Amino acid sequence: DTEVTQTPKHLVMGMTNKKSLKCEQHMGHRAMYWYKQKAKKPPELMFVYSYEKLSINESVPSRFSPECPNSSLLNLHLHALQPEDSALYLCASSQDGAIDTQYFGPGTRLTVL
Amino acid sequence: KNEVEQSPQNLTAQEGEFITINCSYSVGISALHWLQQHPGGGIVSLFMLSSGKKKHGRLIATINIQEKHSSLHITASHPRDSAVYICAVRSRGGGSNYKLTFGKGTLLTVNP
Repeated sequence: DTEVTQTPKHLVMGMTNKKSLKCEQHMGHRAMYWYKQKAKKPPELMFVYSYEKLSINESVPSRFSPECPNSSLLNLHLHALQPEDSALYLCASSQDGAIDTQYFGPGTRLTVL
Repeated sequence: KNEVEQSPQNLTAQEGEFITINCSYSVGISALHWLQQHPGGGIVSLFMLSSGKKKHGRLIATINIQEKHSSLHITASHPRDSAVYICAVRSRGGGSNYKLTFGKGTLLTVNP
């Protein structure tokens, strides 16, 4: 199984809503990532978890809150988002983050109204 | 200046043509990735290279570490190859083994 799954596929939320994005992998990978991708732009790294600990936070606003409940799951909690946060949110995983292939999920298309 | 430069930005080809996409980078790297993204879709990792050449089906990726350059070749191109191809590098050294620096992508359109 070389799959990273993400739910939901699409999400529309208002600026006062609280929602969560979920990511799951069963490849035994110990590094998991959140990326944000705007249209026609490359992905931008948001967070990296390594062995269930937050390893990198790329100065992401606190309205995005990551959580890694266990080695297979990665959540991104959203609260009080702005319309400019509308984007494709991609999850990825890799074996341990050194010279490793990152496997990407299909993404969640988020629209903030 | 982006640390990873891709060329061309856009490429249109006829079905069956041989295609080359280039990637140049300016930093020391531990690995280079070629990724594929179909419109509106997720990203598929095609290759990870640290030296030499890799082949998978009709796709070939090469890297020249001394020249800081990599190429992705597609033989016998097909309309289903139409996608954005992204080069990404993992810098060598420092604490950020996890971080990829992405090129801006090459939009490939293969016409039947």
